[in-house]
Amino acid sequence: DAGVTQSPTHLIKTRGQQVTLRCSPKSGHDTVSWYQQALGQGPQFIFQYYEEEERQRGNFPDRFSGHQFPNYSSELNVNALLLGDSALYLCASSLWGGGAPETQYFGPGTRLLVL
Amino acid sequence: AQSVTQLDSHVSVSEGTPVLLRCNYSSSYSPSLFWYVQHPNKGLQLLLKYTSAATLVKGINGFEAEFKKSETSFHLTKPSAHMSDAAEYFCVVTALSGGYQKVTFGTGTKLQVIP
Repeated sequence: DAGVTQSPTHLIKTRGQQVTLRCSPKSGHDTVSWYQQALGQGPQFIFQYYEEEERQRGNFPDRFSGHQFPNYSSELNVNALLLGDSALYLCASSLWGGGAPETQYFGPGTRLLVL
Repeated sequence: AQSVTQLDSHVSVSEGTPVLLRCNYSSSYSPSLFWYVQHPNKGLQLLLKYTSAATLVKGINGFEAEFKKSETSFHLTKPSAHMSDAAEYFCVVTALSGGYQKVTFGTGTKLQVIP
């Protein structure tokens, strides 16, 4: 049973460029969340997708956008990259629960460096 | 409102001695609580979770945590540290709010294990 996978593992971009990161959720999961983890910090919630719609969003600008596909995989897009966007981007998958909060399972992350 | 406080940013123990990583939380709802571990340059691995069942929760690799509602704490312990336990540990609180899962990470505790 494959866990959460992310691609690419590492990425180097320059300021002003755009980047797309990809995530495949754990088998059986239908919800994908994205987090940004700056060096030495805890993960910060970016947004969450379920049924191909953004359901929740953290305190991130509109330069950060996403998409979820019918097979539940997801993309994170960041436009007009800034130096401060350099971070580890983590994808987490879970089941959309109507009761108790669902456990999230994390991928290995994509490390983005903006020069 | 919801918050997590990890009381120590760094903890250093000798191999074979007990580990205690402290976490206090605040939540307006009935929360679930998690501990994740992150080894250097890796994603987050679930150690254990509390979801309103038994207050003493056993996880992987000999870790356990006790949910104490009166103290709003969820401290992580292990009787005997191993060199492989050296990593960063994150306490996470999750609660349903308005039908959505609100996830809040602590700032992390870096565990050093001395041979």
